[in-house]
Amino acid sequence: QQPVQSPQAVILREGEDAVINCSSSKALYSVHWYRQKHGEAPVFLMILLKGGEQKGHDKISASFNEKKQQSSLYLTASQLSYSGTYFCGTGSGNTGKLIFGQGTTLQVKP
Amino acid sequence: NAGVTQTPKFRVLKTGQSMTLLCAQDMNHEYMYWYRQDPGMGLRLIHYSVGEGTTAKGEVPDGYNVSRLKKQNFLLGLESAAPSQTSVYFCASDRKGPPYNEQFFGPGTRLTVL
Repeated sequence: QQPVQSPQAVILREGEDAVINCSSSKALYSVHWYRQKHGEAPVFLMILLKGGEQKGHDKISASFNEKKQQSSLYLTASQLSYSGTYFCGTGSGNTGKLIFGQGTTLQVKP
Repeated sequence: NAGVTQTPKFRVLKTGQSMTLLCAQDMNHEYMYWYRQDPGMGLRLIHYSVGEGTTAKGEVPDGYNVSRLKKQNFLLGLESAAPSQTSVYFCASDRKGPPYNEQFFGPGTRLTVL
């Protein structure tokens, strides 16, 4: 089942912070975050695994709550370049396939 | 390195016509994926492959077929196109596999079925 992201859209001023949430009704093995700019392909940001291991971006952080089956992406001191649509994808473990949420559109204004 | 490339970039089909989308990667990746992206729906997995000669169904496989005869290529076929298949199609690949599967996406193919 598709994970649910919230909020659907957010507008920020440069320098402000944002949090994007991803919730699943199924037990999570891994959570993957991607960003897609308008008209472009999605680009990898981060992977979070059960047990706390993380791998990814140096200016964006994320958390993974296994009990609540949730992940949150933290964008601090946002820059204009952070604008885009953020997708979380949940991994099932064995196959590599990801099920993506519907996306959160972030717009950062000067 | 060209990364992941997709051919064609744009295509318009009439209902009932067939076509094949080609995805090629030069990174020697084992895993390859086909997604479709529709407004408000995010990315939905159509089919995927965990290695040369293998394919498996994703979330929305109906109306599509795939083949992975060579490791670097993953083909997506539409045998009889329908307007509901109007979408942007993305191919992706990754080397490591689960759970560290950082997927690299191609630029996409915009398909319109009239």
